[in-house]
Amino acid sequence: AQSVAQPEDQVNVAEGNPLTVKCTYSVSGNPYLFWYVQYPNRGLQFLLKYITGDNLVKGSYGFEAEFNKSQTSFHLKKPSALVSDSALYFCAVEYGNKLVFGAGTILRVKS
Amino acid sequence: EAQVTQNPRYLITVTGKKLTVTCSQNMNHEYMSWYRQDPGLGLRQIYYSMNVEVTDKGDVPEGYKVSRKEKRNFPLILESPSPNQTSLYFCASSPIAGAPHEQFFGPGTRLTVL
Repeated sequence: AQSVAQPEDQVNVAEGNPLTVKCTYSVSGNPYLFWYVQYPNRGLQFLLKYITGDNLVKGSYGFEAEFNKSQTSFHLKKPSALVSDSALYFCAVEYGNKLVFGAGTILRVKS
Repeated sequence: EAQVTQNPRYLITVTGKKLTVTCSQNMNHEYMSWYRQDPGLGLRQIYYSMNVEVTDKGDVPEGYKVSRKEKRNFPLILESPSPNQTSLYFCASSPIAGAPHEQFFGPGTRLTVL
């Protein structure tokens, strides 16, 4: 079965430091991978996606993600965190017209 | 403004009382979907629709119904709600069915079933 794992419930980082939010997936065939962000009391917003091609994908708000096929990972990264990046982040994989989400990781950026 | 709207945003009801949560998008999207969000479980897909009159089950369809009579609307129906359906519900749409395109989410409906 297709699945997504986000091994960290919460990630804490100081403002200005680099951040990484981890995601691993299990899917047969070529994966279509996504990152979404949810701010408090809001719906989800699309950040970036990997379909094919370059393993480093750039997205909104300065975020990027690295696809690693051998490690079946799609970690979200940002070189310099902002307090406003604090939110709930979801990794997702698409297969067969369905979207399967991970459990989510809370990112807290402290000033 | 391009958006997905849901109504109501908050609803408290009692077990067994039928309810409908409406979802509408103004972007002429083909694909629409419903999710429920529960702590520690992320979002789980309830139903999706590839286009008008075409719907299919997601991963957690039990206790829910949907219909897609018009392209813009995709209501979620709970015929006999139960407390385990207390959750945060999101509707989403995407321009193209069958393609890995990002989805646009509504603001959410927080449902409490007593």
